[in-house]
Amino acid sequence: SYELTQPLSESVALGQTARITCEGYNIGSKDVHWYLQRPGQAPVLVIYRDTKRPSGVPERLSGSKSEDTATLTITRAQVVDEADYYCQVWDSRTGVFGRGTKLTVL
Amino acid sequence: QLQLQESGPGLVKPSETLSLTCTVSGGSITSFSYYWGWIRQTPGKGLEWIGSVYYSGTTYYNPSLKSRLTISLDTFKNQFSLSLSSVTAADTAVYYCARPLSGFYYVFDYWGQGTLVTVSS
Repeated sequence: SYELTQPLSESVALGQTARITCEGYNIGSKDVHWYLQRPGQAPVLVIYRDTKRPSGVPERLSGSKSEDTATLTITRAQVVDEADYYCQVWDSRTGVFGRGTKLTVL
Repeated sequence: QLQLQESGPGLVKPSETLSLTCTVSGGSITSFSYYWGWIRQTPGKGLEWIGSVYYSGTTYYNPSLKSRLTISLDTFKNQFSLSLSSVTAADTAVYYCARPLSGFYYVFDYWGQGTLVTVSS
Protein backbone atom coordinates (compact mmCIF):
# COMPACT_ATOMS: atom_id res chain seq x y z
CA SER A 1 0.00 0.00 0.00
CA TYR A 2 1.07 3.56 -0.63
CA GLU A 3 2.84 5.33 2.20
CA LEU A 4 3.32 8.98 3.00
CA THR A 5 6.23 9.83 5.28
CA GLN A 6 6.16 12.87 7.53
CA PRO A 7 8.56 13.86 10.31
CA LEU A 8 7.05 13.18 13.72
CA SER A 9 7.77 16.69 14.91
CA GLU A 10 9.04 20.07 13.88
CA SER A 11 9.63 23.21 15.84
CA VAL A 12 9.74 26.84 14.78
CA ALA A 13 10.49 30.07 16.58
CA LEU A 14 7.67 32.54 16.86
CA GLY A 15 7.57 34.71 13.75
CA GLN A 16 9.84 32.43 11.73
CA THR A 17 9.11 30.05 8.87
CA ALA A 18 8.19 26.40 9.33
CA ARG A 19 8.32 23.76 6.62
CA ILE A 20 6.61 20.42 6.99
CA THR A 21 7.44 17.77 4.45
CA CYS A 22 5.51 14.81 3.11
CA GLU A 23 7.36 12.21 1.08
CA GLY A 24 5.89 9.57 -1.13
CA TYR A 25 6.87 7.68 -4.22
CA ASN A 26 6.13 9.78 -7.28
CA ILE A 27 4.06 12.17 -5.18
CA GLY A 28 4.64 14.72 -7.90
CA SER A 29 2.02 12.95 -10.00
CA LYS A 30 -0.66 13.15 -7.31
CA ASP A 31 -2.82 15.90 -5.85
CA VAL A 32 -1.64 16.61 -2.30
CA HIS A 33 -3.89 17.98 0.41
CA TRP A 34 -3.04 19.22 3.90
CA TYR A 35 -4.95 19.36 7.17
CA LEU A 36 -4.18 20.72 10.60
CA GLN A 37 -5.62 19.30 13.79
CA ARG A 38 -5.58 20.93 17.17
CA PRO A 39 -5.96 18.78 20.33
CA GLY A 40 -9.48 17.51 20.83
CA GLN A 41 -10.72 18.98 17.55
CA ALA A 42 -11.52 17.66 14.10
CA PRO A 43 -9.03 18.16 11.29
CA VAL A 44 -9.23 21.35 9.25
CA LEU A 45 -8.39 21.45 5.55
CA VAL A 46 -5.74 24.10 4.91
CA ILE A 47 -4.38 23.25 1.44
CA TYR A 48 -5.89 21.24 -1.42
CA ARG A 49 -4.58 20.32 -4.84
CA ASP A 50 -1.01 21.07 -3.80
CA THR A 51 -1.30 24.85 -3.50
CA LYS A 52 -4.91 26.00 -3.15
CA ARG A 53 -6.22 27.50 0.07
CA PRO A 54 -9.86 27.08 1.17
CA SER A 55 -11.55 30.33 2.09
CA GLY A 56 -10.54 31.56 5.50
CA VAL A 57 -7.08 29.99 5.49
CA PRO A 58 -4.42 32.70 5.86
CA GLU A 59 -1.92 33.35 3.09
CA ARG A 60 0.84 32.53 5.58
CA LEU A 61 0.13 28.88 4.81
CA SER A 62 1.19 27.66 1.41
CA GLY A 63 1.85 24.37 -0.34
CA SER A 64 4.43 23.26 -2.87
CA LYS A 65 5.57 20.02 -4.42
CA SER A 66 8.48 18.38 -6.19
CA GLU A 67 8.76 14.93 -7.70
CA ASP A 68 8.91 13.05 -4.40
CA THR A 69 8.19 15.64 -1.70
CA ALA A 70 5.29 17.92 -0.88
CA THR A 71 5.88 20.79 1.52
CA LEU A 72 3.57 22.87 3.67
CA THR A 73 5.16 26.20 4.51
CA ILE A 74 4.00 28.40 7.34
CA THR A 75 5.51 31.88 7.38
CA ARG A 76 5.47 34.25 10.35
CA ALA A 77 4.59 31.35 12.64
CA GLN A 78 2.15 32.10 15.44
CA VAL A 79 1.10 30.24 18.55
CA VAL A 80 -2.21 29.43 16.83
CA ASP A 81 -0.23 27.38 14.28
CA GLU A 82 0.71 24.80 16.92
CA ALA A 83 -1.07 21.68 15.74
CA ASP A 84 -0.64 18.32 14.08
CA TYR A 85 -0.38 18.56 10.31
CA TYR A 86 -1.38 15.74 7.95
CA CYS A 87 -0.83 15.32 4.24
CA GLN A 88 -3.19 13.27 2.07
CA VAL A 89 -3.27 11.83 -1.45
CA TRP A 90 -5.44 9.45 -3.45
CA ASP A 91 -3.86 6.12 -4.32
CA SER A 92 -5.10 2.61 -5.05
CA ARG A 93 -8.72 3.68 -4.79
CA THR A 94 -8.35 5.11 -1.32
CA GLY A 95 -7.49 8.35 0.41
CA VAL A 96 -4.13 7.91 2.10
CA PHE A 97 -3.03 10.08 5.01
CA GLY A 98 0.43 10.67 6.37
CA ARG A 99 0.99 9.92 10.05
CA GLY A 100 1.18 13.57 10.92
CA THR A 101 3.75 16.11 12.09
CA LYS A 102 3.45 17.86 15.41
CA LEU A 103 4.44 21.50 15.02
CA THR A 104 5.65 23.33 18.10
CA VAL A 105 5.98 27.10 18.09
CA LEU A 106 8.72 28.19 20.48
CA GLN B 1 -23.47 27.43 8.10
CA LEU B 2 -23.15 23.71 7.39
CA GLN B 3 -22.96 21.53 10.48
CA LEU B 4 -22.54 17.79 10.88
CA GLN B 5 -23.16 15.77 14.02
CA GLU B 6 -22.34 12.12 14.60
CA SER B 7 -24.50 9.95 16.82
CA GLY B 8 -24.54 6.33 17.84
CA PRO B 9 -23.37 3.88 20.52
CA GLY B 10 -20.05 4.57 22.12
CA LEU B 11 -19.48 0.90 22.94
CA VAL B 12 -19.84 -2.06 20.60
CA LYS B 13 -19.10 -5.70 21.32
CA PRO B 14 -16.61 -7.64 19.20
CA SER B 15 -18.16 -9.37 16.17
CA GLU B 16 -21.18 -7.07 16.25
CA THR B 17 -22.07 -4.23 13.89
CA LEU B 18 -21.03 -0.65 14.48
CA SER B 19 -23.71 1.80 13.35
CA LEU B 20 -23.38 5.56 13.28
CA THR B 21 -25.54 8.34 11.89
CA CYS B 22 -24.54 11.80 10.74
CA THR B 23 -27.18 14.52 10.90
CA VAL B 24 -26.58 17.40 8.52
CA SER B 25 -27.94 20.88 9.13
CA GLY B 26 -27.52 24.04 7.12
CA GLY B 27 -27.43 22.13 3.84
CA SER B 28 -29.10 19.31 1.94
CA ILE B 29 -27.50 15.92 1.44
CA THR B 30 -29.31 15.73 -1.88
CA SER B 31 -27.16 18.50 -3.29
CA PHE B 32 -25.71 17.27 -6.57
CA SER B 33 -22.44 19.03 -5.85
CA TYR B 34 -21.29 17.03 -2.90
CA TYR B 35 -20.47 13.65 -1.52
CA TRP B 36 -20.71 12.81 2.18
CA GLY B 37 -18.12 10.74 3.95
CA TRP B 38 -16.71 9.03 7.00
CA ILE B 39 -13.18 9.10 8.38
CA ARG B 40 -11.79 7.52 11.52
CA GLN B 41 -8.76 8.19 13.64
CA THR B 42 -6.79 5.92 15.94
CA PRO B 43 -3.55 6.46 17.82
CA GLY B 44 -2.09 3.44 16.06
CA LYS B 45 -3.05 4.01 12.41
CA GLY B 46 -3.81 7.71 12.40
CA LEU B 47 -6.42 9.09 10.03
CA GLU B 48 -8.17 6.61 7.75
CA TRP B 49 -10.69 7.41 5.02
CA ILE B 50 -13.59 4.99 5.37
CA GLY B 51 -15.79 5.87 2.43
CA SER B 52 -18.14 8.34 0.82
CA VAL B 53 -21.67 8.41 -0.63
CA TYR B 54 -23.26 10.60 -3.29
CA TYR B 55 -26.86 11.81 -3.24
CA SER B 56 -27.65 9.27 -5.95
CA GLY B 57 -26.51 6.46 -3.68
CA THR B 58 -23.19 5.91 -5.45
CA THR B 59 -20.57 4.88 -2.94
CA TYR B 60 -16.78 4.75 -2.75
CA TYR B 61 -15.31 2.55 -0.06
CA ASN B 62 -11.85 2.01 1.33
CA PRO B 63 -10.87 -1.36 -0.17
CA SER B 64 -9.57 -2.56 3.19
CA LEU B 65 -13.02 -2.12 4.75
CA LYS B 66 -15.27 -2.73 1.77
CA SER B 67 -16.34 -6.26 2.69
CA ARG B 68 -17.73 -5.07 6.05
CA LEU B 69 -18.95 -1.61 5.15
CA THR B 70 -22.19 0.05 4.12
CA ILE B 71 -22.73 3.79 3.81
CA SER B 72 -26.22 4.97 3.04
CA LEU B 73 -28.42 8.06 2.89
CA ASP B 74 -31.73 8.97 4.52
CA THR B 75 -32.83 11.93 2.44
CA PHE B 76 -36.02 12.50 4.44
CA LYS B 77 -34.07 12.98 7.64
CA ASN B 78 -31.11 14.68 5.93
CA GLN B 79 -28.81 12.05 7.42
CA PHE B 80 -26.28 9.55 6.22
CA SER B 81 -25.13 6.45 8.01
CA LEU B 82 -22.23 4.09 8.48
CA SER B 83 -22.52 0.40 9.18
CA LEU B 84 -19.40 -1.66 9.84
CA SER B 85 -19.91 -5.34 10.56
CA SER B 86 -17.85 -7.93 12.42
CA VAL B 87 -15.93 -5.35 14.40
CA THR B 88 -12.78 -6.04 16.39
CA ALA B 89 -10.70 -4.01 18.79
CA ALA B 90 -8.88 -2.63 15.75
CA ASP B 91 -12.06 -0.74 14.85
CA THR B 92 -11.89 1.28 18.07
CA ALA B 93 -11.50 4.87 16.90
CA VAL B 94 -12.88 8.36 16.80
CA TYR B 95 -15.28 8.39 13.88
CA TYR B 96 -15.91 11.59 11.95
CA CYS B 97 -18.55 12.37 9.41
CA ALA B 98 -17.60 15.04 6.92
CA ARG B 99 -18.40 16.71 3.64
CA PRO B 100 -15.76 16.73 0.91
CA LEU B 101 -14.94 19.63 -1.33
CA SER B 102 -17.10 19.89 -4.41
CA GLY B 103 -15.67 17.59 -7.05
CA PHE B 104 -13.93 15.33 -4.55
CA TYR B 105 -15.09 12.43 -2.42
CA TYR B 106 -12.06 12.11 -0.19
CA VAL B 107 -10.88 15.69 0.60
CA PHE B 108 -12.98 17.06 3.46
CA ASP B 109 -13.64 20.68 4.35
CA TYR B 110 -16.56 20.33 6.76
CA TRP B 111 -16.25 17.91 9.69
CA GLY B 112 -18.38 16.80 12.58
CA GLN B 113 -16.86 16.93 16.04
CA GLY B 114 -16.21 13.18 16.04
CA THR B 115 -17.48 10.39 18.24
CA LEU B 116 -15.42 7.79 20.05
CA VAL B 117 -16.46 4.20 19.46
CA THR B 118 -14.86 1.52 21.59
CA VAL B 119 -15.04 -2.13 20.64
CA SER B 120 -14.94 -4.22 23.79
CA SER B 121 -16.84 -6.98 25.49
